[in-house]
Amino acid sequence: GAGVSQSPSNKVTEKGKDVELRCDPISGHTALYWYRQSLGQGLEFLIYFQGNSAPDKSGLPSDRFSAERTGGSVSTLTIQRTQQEDSAVYLCASSDRTSGRTWGYEQYFGPGTRLTVT
Amino acid sequence: AQRVTQPEKLLSVFKGAPVELKCNYSYSGSPELFWYVQYSRQRLQLLLRHISRESIKGFTADLNKGETSFHLKKPFAQEEDSAMYYCALRNSSGSARQLTFGSGTQLTVLP
Repeated sequence: GAGVSQSPSNKVTEKGKDVELRCDPISGHTALYWYRQSLGQGLEFLIYFQGNSAPDKSGLPSDRFSAERTGGSVSTLTIQRTQQEDSAVYLCASSDRTSGRTWGYEQYFGPGTRLTVT
Repeated sequence: AQRVTQPEKLLSVFKGAPVELKCNYSYSGSPELFWYVQYSRQRLQLLLRHISRESIKGFTADLNKGETSFHLKKPFAQEEDSAMYYCALRNSSGSARQLTFGSGTQLTVLP
């Protein structure tokens, strides 16, 4: 079946502009994650949605970052007043917490959105 | 706080040589450890996890709680193993399910 998809694949924006990044998780997956992949920094957790529970926003680097997940499916990550240090690849992942396994909940990653702030 | 350290940013080996990608972690609880791989122009994907004790594509990794390590090994590297490898940790209990990643090691297998 279809995997996690993200759009756009590339986004170039001017410093100070707002951007929205979209993630379509695998159908039926209840958990959705956003990570940021910066050059030489590895992957950094941003936010986690699980079903109808309140999201875990502990990884968001500043209040310029926010995310929504509508209807338990599609998610949008919004960055307001972008800064050059926001340039990175933003990855979305989803997992199926209802798999019944007591371990695993493998996360399936999307192709990412490469954001460049000029 | 949990942390994953991959000390080597770059690693080059010749085809057929053994390869070991190092991963150390710090975590006070009982962690789940994973290796993820990202081949050129492909998305990040799970390679293996410690709990399943599996060998994938000839790679193995043993969790050493005494040394807090989860090194990835392969006895005979192949050119198609060239990729970016990330070690990751997750809390095995509680509600936090996100992964904590290391900074990654770029493996190049030379012909």
